[in-house]
Amino acid sequence: SQTIHQWPATLVQPVGSPLSLECTVEGTSNPNLYWYRQAAGRGLQLLFYSVGIGQISSEVPQNLSASRPQDRQFILSSKKLLLSDSGFYLCAWSETQYEQYFGPGTRLTVT
Amino acid sequence: GEDVEQSLFLSVREGDSSVINCTYTDSSSTYLYWYKQEPGAGLQLLTYIFSNMDMKQDQRLTVLLNKKDKHLSLRIADTQTGDSAIYFCAENPIYNQGGKLIFGQGTELSVKP
Repeated sequence: SQTIHQWPATLVQPVGSPLSLECTVEGTSNPNLYWYRQAAGRGLQLLFYSVGIGQISSEVPQNLSASRPQDRQFILSSKKLLLSDSGFYLCAWSETQYEQYFGPGTRLTVT
Repeated sequence: GEDVEQSLFLSVREGDSSVINCTYTDSSSTYLYWYKQEPGAGLQLLTYIFSNMDMKQDQRLTVLLNKKDKHLSLRIADTQTGDSAIYFCAENPIYNQGGKLIFGQGTELSVKP
């Protein structure tokens, strides 16, 4: 069966520091991968998606970047964090253009 | 444009039925989904319905789809306190590259004992 992991689970970082969040998927090949942010409200904002290794599409201009160095690994990064980057970051995968499965999330607090 | 709308809050008593409603705008969507999010956790796929179906039942969950009115509902029978969570509906317009889903803002279900 397929599983999705995210780490770390929680992170507190100062403004201006770098960021690296990791997401890995097991039990599937060539999945579509997604990064979402859920701010203090509740809506989900799609940040990036990837349909293959090295293929990244950005949905909104921002302080963040994404990379997919391996088939089942998706990384969210920033060179310098802003206060507005705080939020709950969710990674998801899908095998087809159908349902998405979400990871447990990373709670990021920028101080 | 793409938009999925849900009411923000619903409160029910334990043992009652809950009905969470959603309206969507894109008639090209082939599937519509219901996700559940408990506090501090990721989203859990509860169920989904193919757009050529009117109804789907899965244990305590019943999904109704009115494609003409672009209205989707999730009924939870015999609601329990463990059902308290935020429920998101989502659609997948076929023209969306990369299988992107459009999510509603979520309905917070509060179940009172």
